[in-house]
Parts: sequence; structure tokens; C-alpha cells
Amino acid sequence: DGGITQSPKYLFRKEGQNVTLSCEQNLNHDAMYWYRQDPGQGLRLIYYSQIVNDFQKGDIAEGYSVSREKKESFPLTVTSAQKNPTAFYLCASSILAFAAWDTQYFGPGTRLTVL
Amino acid sequence: GENVEQHPSTLSVQEGDSAVIKCTYSDSASNYFPWYKQELGKGPQLIIDIRSNVGEKKDQRIAVTLNKTAKHFSLHITETQPEDSAVYFCAAIEDYGGSQGNLIFGKGTKLSVKP
Repeated sequence: DGGITQSPKYLFRKEGQNVTLSCEQNLNHDAMYWYRQDPGQGLRLIYYSQIVNDFQKGDIAEGYSVSREKKESFPLTVTSAQKNPTAFYLCASSILAFAAWDTQYFGPGTRLTVL
Repeated sequence: GENVEQHPSTLSVQEGDSAVIKCTYSDSASNYFPWYKQELGKGPQLIIDIRSNVGEKKDQRIAVTLNKTAKHFSLHITETQPEDSAVYFCAAIEDYGGSQGNLIFGKGTKLSVKP
């Protein structure tokens, strides 16, 4: 898991509530990413950020929001607009910005269950 | 856009046997192909990767082969051990020459190594 921490490991929320997932890295990596993983599915990109105060939508950004106010932090908010938020959420980072080939290092993940 | 197909979805082998997982991709411009291993309840970890200017790469018991003409790449694990049991993901990325391309993941292969 390197120096990437995600908290909490398990999260339960009621339907209709917004929830924020934490991702912190002490690796001094420029780029950070959020992925969603559903059972039997590959990882799908939600949002990514190359530098502080900048981020781009991935393939499934609807119903999610992010911020990148600090280099080491990239929180993800799952809003009530997300139709099916129950999933395993993975944060990743890579050393270089704007380098598609750079290795991505993943955190341990947060399992979100919406009741 | 890129599409990555991965087969088989599950694979069971006896300890000591070899395991092969295959992936195909659709975008001929893709030029970086990592493989990740994910243990239960954890984030994926990079185990090996290959770039399009190389046909094969080995790291101890793990090897990856790439056929750019056929647009497929494979993971080979020799002398399998019980600790190799995990879900393995292939991925492909297109380098847009300075801007970030997205990793597109296969749906994963659950490998079980029986003692």
C-alpha cells in the first residue's frame, strides 16, 4: 500500500446523504486518481488530478466531486446524485504528472455501503 | 476509446503448475500494458508491465508477452504457489504524448492455486 492511506476502511451511509472519502499520500507524488470497483468488474476511473487545484473527469464522474487543495490530499465526495454508490473505492497516485506510462500505486480502499 | 477484454474470469491450478491469463485490447495506439495483483480486501499492486517496444519481459516466475499485431498480451506465472492466489487485472493505456491517458482495466481473473 506504500504511503497511501484511505479512511475509513468501511463506511455506511443512509440513502440520500453525501459522504466524503479520504485519500492521503506522503510519497510526494504529483498525480492522484479515484477508481470505483464493483464485484466482477475491473476498475473504472472516476476523477484524476495532475497538479494542485486541477482535476479532470474520468469515465464515470457523474454523482461524484473532488478537490485537490493540497498535493498530498485528494478527497472524493459521493453525492446523493450518484444512483448506485455502494462499491469499493480505490485511490491511487503516481510520481509524475502528465505521464501516461507512470506506475500507479494504490491505497487499501474504502468499502462504501449505502443502506 | 480503448476496450480491454480479459480471459479467463476464473482459473484454478495445482501448486507447481503454470498459469496463463490473456488480454486483448482494441486501440492500436496503446503502448503501455501493466498487470496488477489484488489480494482480498486490499488495493491492487503492480507486478509487471511491458511497453510496446518490447515483446517479452520476465521477472523471476512472472513473464508478460505482447503481440502488437494481434493486439493481445498475456501474463505467465510458472511454478505457482498458494500465495499467488489473488485477482489479477490487466490494463492498457494510450500515451497522448505529454497529456494523461487513462488506464483501462480488464475485468479481472481470480486465480486459485491448490496445494
